[in-house]
Amino acid sequence: NAGVTQTPKFRVLKTGQSMTLLCAQDMNHEYMYWYRQDPGMGLRLIHYSVGEGTTAKGEVPDGYNVSRLKKQNFLLGLESAAPSQTSVYFCASSSHRLAGVSYEQYFGPGTRLTVT
Amino acid sequence: DQQVKQNSPSLSVQEGRISILNCDYTNSMFDYFLWYKKYPAEGPTFLISISSIKDKNEDGRFTVFLNKSAKHLSLHIVPSQPGDSAVYFCAALSNWNYGGSQGNLIFGKGTKLSVKP
Repeated sequence: NAGVTQTPKFRVLKTGQSMTLLCAQDMNHEYMYWYRQDPGMGLRLIHYSVGEGTTAKGEVPDGYNVSRLKKQNFLLGLESAAPSQTSVYFCASSSHRLAGVSYEQYFGPGTRLTVT
Repeated sequence: DQQVKQNSPSLSVQEGRISILNCDYTNSMFDYFLWYKKYPAEGPTFLISISSIKDKNEDGRFTVFLNKSAKHLSLHIVPSQPGDSAVYFCAALSNWNYGGSQGNLIFGKGTKLSVKP
């Protein structure tokens, strides 16, 4: 049971290049999320998905696109990378979305992206 | 405007003593609060949570206290151990649809805890 995995772990891009970050979860979770973390900042939500084939914008969606073609995978795309997108990106998944008896998100190990 | 605030960027504690990490929030519509722990080069891991209908939740060495009137929560770690050295994030969740944030976690900026042997 690998939990949440992310590919790649590190990447360096030049301004204007594109790339896709892959997130996979094996917990059969319905909900998946992409966050970015910058120095001295908390995690900020980029996009999320409430089920296969659905996506929605989070707090900082500009410059990113996402797709959830399969329940276990959530892809984050950068069409034209900018230095402001240098960050650590975390994917997460959860079985619940609204607070009830219990609620938690499970995070992947992160992808460190540098845009020069 | 920051809805979840962790005003102490860092905290240093002696091994065996109590660590108290604080978190303030501005939105009274938050229903659930969580604490996450993060080691360098790893993803955050869930630590403990509390519903807004409770004022305390305990799990081993970790206790979270919630003061709704003050919009304040705190995480107590007793006794602190060197392995607790990490960044701790406070996060809040609302079941209500306000500003499109229903069901999304809102994170504070984190507090770096250092436990010295």
